[in-house]
Amino acid sequence: AQSVAQPEDQVNVAEGNPLTVKCTYSVSGNPYLFWYVQYPNRGLQFLLKYITGDNLVKGSYGFEAEFNKSQTSFHLKKPSALVSDSALYFCAVRDYKLSFGAGTTVTVRA
Amino acid sequence: EPEVTQTPSHQVTQMGQEVILRCVPISNHLYFYWYRQILGQKVEFLVSFYNNEISEKSEIFDDQFSVERPDGSNFTLKIRSTKLEDSAMYFCASRKTSGGDNEQFFGPGTRLTVL
Repeated sequence: AQSVAQPEDQVNVAEGNPLTVKCTYSVSGNPYLFWYVQYPNRGLQFLLKYITGDNLVKGSYGFEAEFNKSQTSFHLKKPSALVSDSALYFCAVRDYKLSFGAGTTVTVRA
Repeated sequence: EPEVTQTPSHQVTQMGQEVILRCVPISNHLYFYWYRQILGQKVEFLVSFYNNEISEKSEIFDDQFSVERPDGSNFTLKIRSTKLEDSAMYFCASRKTSGGDNEQFFGPGTRLTVL
């Protein structure tokens, strides 16, 4: 079965500092990896995906993610975090369905 | 930009009652999904639907659950006899084609509270 793990429940950073949200995956075959963000009382919003090609994927709102096959990781990054980036972030892997990680709560303090 | 919509935003029901959660997927999408998120837990897959039939379902999706696309635009999730543990946020999602590079687009969710 395909799965992802998010080792950190919470990440706290100061505004303007780099933000990293970690994700590792376990798949058989080529992974289809996704990041979604959930703001309070809102649905899941798609940020970016890795299917094939460049290991560095750029997405919405200035986010990017780096696919690392040797480390089976797909960490989400943003060079300079904003207070408005505070939300719940989910990594997911797809076969016929999305399998989500447990989520990481990001708090960006002013 | 087209989006997935869900109604109601919040549904409160008594244990044992039937509920129907409604979703309107993006109009040219062909694959439809229901997920749920119990408070404080991860988002879990319930069921996928394509070509007017269930294509996959999880162990959560037992005989109390059913899905339907009654009119070519709505996609519904019915819970026949709700239990307390059905209280959760239910998300509908849709996807355009079967390609692995297609992302799923999620609705805002329906919060179901079973009393």
